Amino acid sequence: QTVVTQEPSLSVSPGGTVTLTCGLSSGSVSTVKYPSWYQQTPGQPPRTIIYNINIRSSGVPDRFSGSILGNKAALTITGAQANDEAHYYCVLYMGRGISVFGGGTRLTVL
Amino acid sequence: QVQLQESGPGLVKASQTLSLTCTVSGASINSDDHYWNWIRQTAGKGLEWIGRIYSNGATTYNPSLKSRVTISLDASKNQFSLSLSSLTAADTAVYYCARLFSGYEVSFVYYFDHWGQGALVTVSP
Repeated sequence: QTVVTQEPSLSVSPGGTVTLTCGLSSGSVSTVKYPSWYQQTPGQPPRTIIYNINIRSSGVPDRFSGSILGNKAALTITGAQANDEAHYYCVLYMGRGISVFGGGTRLTVL
Repeated sequence: QVQLQESGPGLVKASQTLSLTCTVSGASINSDDHYWNWIRQTAGKGLEWIGRIYSNGATTYNPSLKSRVTISLDASKNQFSLSLSSLTAADTAVYYCARLFSGYEVSFVYYFDHWGQGALVTVSP
């Protein structure tokens, strides 16, 4: 079974830039995987940040951006703020109606 | 405003069957552009997609859970439900219902656009 890979943890300084990635144990992430990104803070449900690689969900600040880097999807936060500290999950569409979540990245802002 | 709300027992015994319901408000479960999903999150761990249902009743399940999962819908109540059988402690989790948008904005999009608040289910020995 294909595994969706994410960095377990990353840190960024306030005002800094960080890139989180979302890959596949086998193969490349492309547009047909419809990569999307979700932010989750403790005790809250996930919140949609980015979908279709690079479309920001309503109300999401433009310091969040999505892209394809090499064979992975990427989420970049430019000018990180303290309230960006959260877990971030990517989801890929595997075809035949099946979605697979990555293991998540714990982002620390310090 | 679209809202989803999970409901069901918070404590279930091992080997029994979990039943949860998601009530949708602000949108019709008969929508052509949406699928209705169940997703769970175990303590301290990540998210796991369980399965989905479309308005015509067509379902797709996570292969790793397929033998134990049934998702159904009741359009008259604008609800959909999850049944998970043969429970073990590993099924203890927060269960979310979520709507997936599969349709056109400017281009075709595919993503989870609305989530419920989640329901904690504990499986007891």
